[in-house]
Amino acid sequence: EIVLTQSPDFQSVTPKEKVTITCRASQNIGTALHWYQQKPDQPPKVLIKSASQSISGDPSKFTGSGSGTDFTLTINSLEPEDVASYFCHQSSILPFTFGPGTKVDIK
Amino acid sequence: VQLLQSGGGLVQPGMSLRLSCVASGFTFDDYAMHWVRQAPGKGLEWVSSISWGGANVDYADSVRGRFTISRDNANKSLYLQMNSLRPEDMAFYYCVKGSSSGWYVHFDRWGQGTLVTVSS
Repeated sequence: EIVLTQSPDFQSVTPKEKVTITCRASQNIGTALHWYQQKPDQPPKVLIKSASQSISGDPSKFTGSGSGTDFTLTINSLEPEDVASYFCHQSSILPFTFGPGTKVDIK
Repeated sequence: VQLLQSGGGLVQPGMSLRLSCVASGFTFDDYAMHWVRQAPGKGLEWVSSISWGGANVDYADSVRGRFTISRDNANKSLYLQMNSLRPEDMAFYYCVKGSSSGWYVHFDRWGQGTLVTVSS
């Protein structure tokens, strides 16, 4: 099973600050890595597919990068509506797995 | 695209429950479908996947032999039959649409989730 490790677990930042979340896979998964945003009491919503392809409405807001085992999600200019948990997910090998999540809050 | 879920609730350990998910807004039988669960306040766990035609299925080891995924393409419905439920199965269960007919892709739509509580 591929284990995904995310860091940090929690990040609290001031508005308009940039947030960087990392996801590390226990083995090479190419670019089969996706990022989801989950707001309180809502289902997850995909932000980035295949490591770097933006799906969210504003591609300059959420950017993804990486390949192999190391991946990064960057949230540019954090706003109150970005308060959420963020999860990475690998679809390279069954069983599909998710990172433990990073909770992002505003100071 | 909508995935409307039903069937959650409170059951005793060892009992069974069937979750349903009715899809709309897309050609249901063009896509693989999945179930993902999330214990309250915890992370996401993939549970099961089914191919577009239903011929191929797979399960997480934690549910294999107890859960059965199925689909009815004529009625645009996805199901999860859960038997021999355990307290550790308690979670929100999400019906999830894959982004293609293949399995090894991202999940592009999620149902609203339904809570399964396993307790005596």
